[in-house]
Amino acid sequence: EDQVTQSPEALRLQEGESSSLNCSYTVSGLRGLFWYRQDPGKGPEFLFTLYSAGEEKEKERLKATLTKKESFLHITAPKPEDSATYLCASSDYSSASKIIFGSGTRLSIRP
Amino acid sequence: DVKVTQSSRYLVKRTGEKVFLECVQDMDHENMFWYRQDPGLGLRLIYFSYDVKMKEKGDIPEGYSVSREKKERFSLILESASTNQTSMYLCASRLSRGLKIGEQYFGPGTRLTVT
Repeated sequence: EDQVTQSPEALRLQEGESSSLNCSYTVSGLRGLFWYRQDPGKGPEFLFTLYSAGEEKEKERLKATLTKKESFLHITAPKPEDSATYLCASSDYSSASKIIFGSGTRLSIRP
Repeated sequence: DVKVTQSSRYLVKRTGEKVFLECVQDMDHENMFWYRQDPGLGLRLIYFSYDVKMKEKGDIPEGYSVSREKKERFSLILESASTNQTSMYLCASRLSRGLKIGEQYFGPGTRLTVT
C-alpha cells in the first residue's frame, strides 16, 4: 500500500538551531513530491514540488531534497515565524486525484 | 497569485440540515478538490473534479455530493448533516499539466460544526 510517513511528529528548536524534517514515501512510480506549510486554522500553503531523485529546491531558510525513498526539508537558522506544521504529499501515475498526504511535522521555534 | 476562496470560515449547523460549502478559484484551474482534515487522520479526499461537470469520488464520499457547473466554482453538499461530519473542510485547485503534475492551492478552510 502506498504510504507517506513523516518524522518526527513534533520538533521544538531554539531560534537559529538548524534541523531537518523527514518524509518517507512508498509509491510505485513517483510523479511528484510536494511540501506544504500549514498554520493553525488555515489551509496548507504550497512550498515546493520535487519530481526526481537528486532534485533540490530552495526558498529563504528552507531547502527540500529528494532521494528515491525519502525527502528532507532542511531548515537553516530558523526564526519563530517558521513555526507551523509541515506537510509532505506524494503523487503517482495511477490517478490524477490520488495524492497521499503525510500526517505532518509540527515545528515550534523558540525565540 | 492563485486565490482560492471558501464561502465561510466558520459554520454551525444542526443535525439533518442540508449544508452547502462553496469554493471559488480565480486562476482558470481545471482540477478542484474537496478534503476534510481531522486530528490524527490527516487530509482525506472527499471528491475530485477534473473539469466542468466532471467528478470522481475520493476516499470518503459517503454523505456528500458535489457540483461543478462552472470552471471556477466547486460546491460540496452535505445532504443531511450528521455530527460525525464536524470537521475542517478544505478546497484546493490545481492546473492540469498532463504528465507533469502540478501543485495544489488550498483555500482558507471552513470549520463546520454539526450539533
